[in-house]
Amino acid sequence: DVKVTQSSRYLVKRTGEKVFLECVQDMDHENMFWYRQDPGLGLRLIYFSYDVKMKEKGDIPEGYSVSREKKERFSLILESASTNQTSMYLCASSRPADSNTEAFFGQGTRLTVV
Amino acid sequence: AQSVSQHNHHVILSEAASLELGCNYSYGGTVNLFWYVQYPGQHLQLLLKYFSGDPLVKGIKGFEAEFIKSKFSFNLRKPSVQWSDTAEYFCAVIRYGNNRLAFGKGNQVVVIP
Repeated sequence: DVKVTQSSRYLVKRTGEKVFLECVQDMDHENMFWYRQDPGLGLRLIYFSYDVKMKEKGDIPEGYSVSREKKERFSLILESASTNQTSMYLCASSRPADSNTEAFFGQGTRLTVV
Repeated sequence: AQSVSQHNHHVILSEAASLELGCNYSYGGTVNLFWYVQYPGQHLQLLLKYFSGDPLVKGIKGFEAEFIKSKFSFNLRKPSVQWSDTAEYFCAVIRYGNNRLAFGKGNQVVVIP
């Protein structure tokens, strides 16, 4: 059974803290994605990676960075957490688009910044 | 920038009514198209997908979608909804050579028994 695992289901952090969200996939997928999901705004792409050490900005990268040192792991970093980063964060992985396969999602991490 | 549009964010309908959700995307080239569903409290699940071939695709739970290339659309339909179809539905598009998987804002569908 394919699996995308996010390290935490729930996190509470203080304003100004550095926050790490971890995502691991066991499908040897090239692509990995980080989204945030907010009511009425759908899934907004923060960053994605199409290979180890490669990354591209999504639609809302400000305040975030990412790391992909190994193919199976994609980390999202909030350099200095702020209350407007309170959200549900979703990780996904997929093969390249021309492989004609779908993306698989983790369970999500609900982050609250206080 | 590529974008995916879904209209009518909130949809309320009665059981046995027909459902149609629109999805339009804004860029050319070869694309793969998806509808995902998120039931209350659960993670995203794939409902159906289009890669190539017959533009009318069938998914799980009686859903189907039609790809109309000339209209850049991939609309989702179900002839007769059930209370258990209450969920949020997301359209997603990924373009060959780009690999950016973009989502629409979603449709919150509530089915009244």
